[in-house]
Amino acid sequence: NAGVTQTPKFQVLKTGQSMTLQCAQDMNHNSMYWYRQDPGMGLRLIYYSASEGTTDKGEVPNGYNVSRLNKREFSLRLESAAPSQTSVYFCASSAQDNSGNTIYFGEGSWLTVV
Amino acid sequence: AQSVAQPEDQVNVAEGNPLTVKCTYSVSGNPYLFWYVQYPNRGLQFLLKYITGDNLVKGSYGFEAEFNKSQTSFHLKKPSALVSDSALYFCAVRDMEVDSSYKLIFGSGTRLLVRP
Repeated sequence: NAGVTQTPKFQVLKTGQSMTLQCAQDMNHNSMYWYRQDPGMGLRLIYYSASEGTTDKGEVPNGYNVSRLNKREFSLRLESAAPSQTSVYFCASSAQDNSGNTIYFGEGSWLTVV
Repeated sequence: AQSVAQPEDQVNVAEGNPLTVKCTYSVSGNPYLFWYVQYPNRGLQFLLKYITGDNLVKGSYGFEAEFNKSQTSFHLKKPSALVSDSALYFCAVRDMEVDSSYKLIFGSGTRLLVRP
């Protein structure tokens, strides 16, 4: 059971370049999320998707776009990368219920913008 | 506003000693609380959660956490630390706002260092 799979693991971009981070989950979860992790700031939510066909902004959405391609896949796009977007990006998913909806994370994507 | 605070950037403990990683929260209503652990260059792994019921919650790898409503705290504990417990620990609370879609709000993280 792969859980949450995200690619690429590592990427170096030049300022102004674009790229897409891919994410897929095989747990039949309704909700998916993209977080970024920066030193001393914990995890901050970029975008989330409560269900297939819906997306919403999180705490730090500027400079990003997302696509919920189907129930399994949720991609994050940087249209014009900036050095401030150097970070570690985590995709996550959860079942949408009232049992506490544990969120499960992918292994992360390390992005450097030079 | 809902929030989570982890007041310690780092906790140092000797192997075999008990450990505590602190977390306090601020939410409206009854909280759903979580602890996650992150090992170097890895994703976050779920440790345990409190939804309702007993204030002492047991989780993975021998960890437990105590929910204290009066102190709005959810401290992570382990009776006997292992060197392999050294990692970054995150406390989180479920966003209880309407239309929150069950997303979590994370603390800034506490680095646990267990020395041999």
